[in-house]
Amino acid sequence: LAKTTQPISMDSYEGQEVNITCSHNNIATNDYITWYQQFPSQGPRFIIQGYKTKVTNEVASLFIPADRKSSTLSLPRVSLSDTAVYYCLVGVRTGNQFYFGTGTSLTVIP
Amino acid sequence: DVKVTQSSRYLVKRTGEKVFLECVQDMDHENMFWYRQDPGLGLRLIYFSYDVKMKEKGDIPEGYSVSREKKERFSLILESASTNQTSMYLCASSLRQGSPNTEAFFGQGTRLTVV
Repeated sequence: LAKTTQPISMDSYEGQEVNITCSHNNIATNDYITWYQQFPSQGPRFIIQGYKTKVTNEVASLFIPADRKSSTLSLPRVSLSDTAVYYCLVGVRTGNQFYFGTGTSLTVIP
Repeated sequence: DVKVTQSSRYLVKRTGEKVFLECVQDMDHENMFWYRQDPGLGLRLIYFSYDVKMKEKGDIPEGYSVSREKKERFSLILESASTNQTSMYLCASSLRQGSPNTEAFFGQGTRLTVV
């Protein structure tokens, strides 16, 4: 499975757009990119998944450039309740394992 | 909604005890997983199972074993609990690889303290 690299932590003010970038230089042709969100004292939950270009749902957008060696999770107008750890995973559809790594801890400031 | 249920939210056990952590899912998922989560280390995969009686080691299987006798149930066993196994344990399930939806669903976690 492709290894991913994310920033350890980020801070943002309420109402701002937050972009979290994940690097995955050795992504395979069949690999999808998936993001999870984890609140304190809870298990992670699926946010969004994509293969190329842009995917948008009610929670976030996922931008994937043509070379697919990185991806950016975009959270529009964050609120305090978006404070969580965000994980980038690659290769979910090509392997049974889900390797989460350390994720990015986002803190939203009032 | 998919439900993944872990038998306990909090457990306190003594060093050397045999500990069983139970996980049940209700969506007929083929894959089930056990993770531990520690500050600064993220989620680390202990074991996973892709079918009944099948299991594979994850990143940190030492000191743990697992059992999957029924499709809906995946048990994590600490043969002889040690203080360095104090952690949050998370169970998850998903459809088999290659399925249209490969989302993993997690339980609420079990916070185990070994004293």
